Amino acid sequence: AQSVTQLGSHVSVSEGALVLLRCNYSSSVPPYLFWYVQYPNQGLQLLLKYTTGATLVKGINGFEAEFKKSETSFHLTKPSAHMSDAAEYFCAVGTRAGNNRKLIWGLGTSLAVNP
Amino acid sequence: NAGVMQNPRHLVRRRGQEARLRCSPMKGHSHVYWYRQLPEEGLKFMVYLQKENIIDESGMPKERFSAEFPKEGPSILRIQQVVRGDSAAYFCASSPGDTYGYTFGSGTRLTVV
Repeated sequence: AQSVTQLGSHVSVSEGALVLLRCNYSSSVPPYLFWYVQYPNQGLQLLLKYTTGATLVKGINGFEAEFKKSETSFHLTKPSAHMSDAAEYFCAVGTRAGNNRKLIWGLGTSLAVNP
Repeated sequence: NAGVMQNPRHLVRRRGQEARLRCSPMKGHSHVYWYRQLPEEGLKFMVYLQKENIIDESGMPKERFSAEFPKEGPSILRIQQVVRGDSAAYFCASSPGDTYGYTFGSGTRLTVV
């Protein structure tokens, strides 16, 4: 069975500081990995995804994540936080059952950005 | 090109009533997923549908919940005889096929009073 663990339900950074949101996964097969962002009272927006190939994945809004198989991790980073980055971030792993592309989700990390 | 449209955005129901949540996928998308987000919990898969077919409903509670995606019209998630524990945000996502290229709607926030 696949699972996702996001370390730290709340992260607070200063504007301009490095953002690091942690995600570890468990999967018996090569995973597909995703980061989504959710702004208050809105839906989820895909930030980036890893399927195959290059392990450093660049996404929207300056975010990137690195797939590390040896550490079963897919941490999300951004060099310099913006006030507009304050949101809920979800890591997810893709599972394949037939042609079902359902996602298994972490519990989310709430990012606060302080001026 | 409109995105995934969910309505209503907010729904209040009394215990015992029925809730009907609608999801219109993006144009050209024939695959629909429903997820539920309970307070203090992550999203949980509920059901995966293609036009006129339920492909995987392993995440759906066995009773009171049903889903459909007819040939014409939106996908409907129906909850009969709602209870307070059904209060949650329900998200729909669509994709054009056998892919992880989901697009999510803004969700329906159900409150049962």
